[in-house]
Amino acid sequence: DAKTTQPPSMDCAEGRAANLPCNHSTISGNEYVYWYRQIHSQGPQYIIHGLKNNETNEMASLIITEDRKSSTLILPHATLRDTAVYYCIVRPARGGMNYGGSQGNLIFGKGTKLSVKP
Amino acid sequence: DAGVTQSPTHLIKTRGQHVTLRCSPISGHKSVSWYQQVLGQGPQFIFQYYEKEERGRGNFPDRFSARQFPNYSSELNVNALLLGDSALYLCASTAFSGANVLTFGAGSRLTVL
Repeated sequence: DAKTTQPPSMDCAEGRAANLPCNHSTISGNEYVYWYRQIHSQGPQYIIHGLKNNETNEMASLIITEDRKSSTLILPHATLRDTAVYYCIVRPARGGMNYGGSQGNLIFGKGTKLSVKP
Repeated sequence: DAGVTQSPTHLIKTRGQHVTLRCSPISGHKSVSWYQQVLGQGPQFIFQYYEKEERGRGNFPDRFSARQFPNYSSELNVNALLLGDSALYLCASTAFSGANVLTFGAGSRLTVL
């Protein structure tokens, strides 16, 4: 089962900031928070990840609470092309090049369906 | 550079048949993972391969199998197809087994009648 909880759907006006919350109250100390999104009829796309500090890249910002039990993905100026399902995932830190087990194993929940409206 | 490519993009099979899906990772990526996405659900992990060895397996029956070739491309095979196998099958690649950022292909849409 997914270790995260997200609202099933959200709306956002085009040009406004989209703030997508994620609850991960059972996160372990070595687990990162990852965000992916899936636009209709495409494969999931990596957006951003973080451990404890806030992170920003060209796509989005990730705000993680001090206790690490929740986070928010921020799309600063949402466009119609940002309409997608957004997945919040927690997973262990990278185990190194020869790490075995199932590091390719992302556990997806149902995500949040973000609809950006004109 | 080409991204992760999958073939075929769409296919229709009947119950009991067998299907083979193919995936070519990003050049230089040695790890390939397979996911199944049923309509309305998030993707579910099936297999991960790295350097031609299975490194992880999800909770899927033995009808599902996969392999990775010396050029790091991969095949997913499903035998004795059931109606419930209808799904989008996604392939993802990473540079190595422990990498955390996966690049997904667009998927192969399988319909079982």
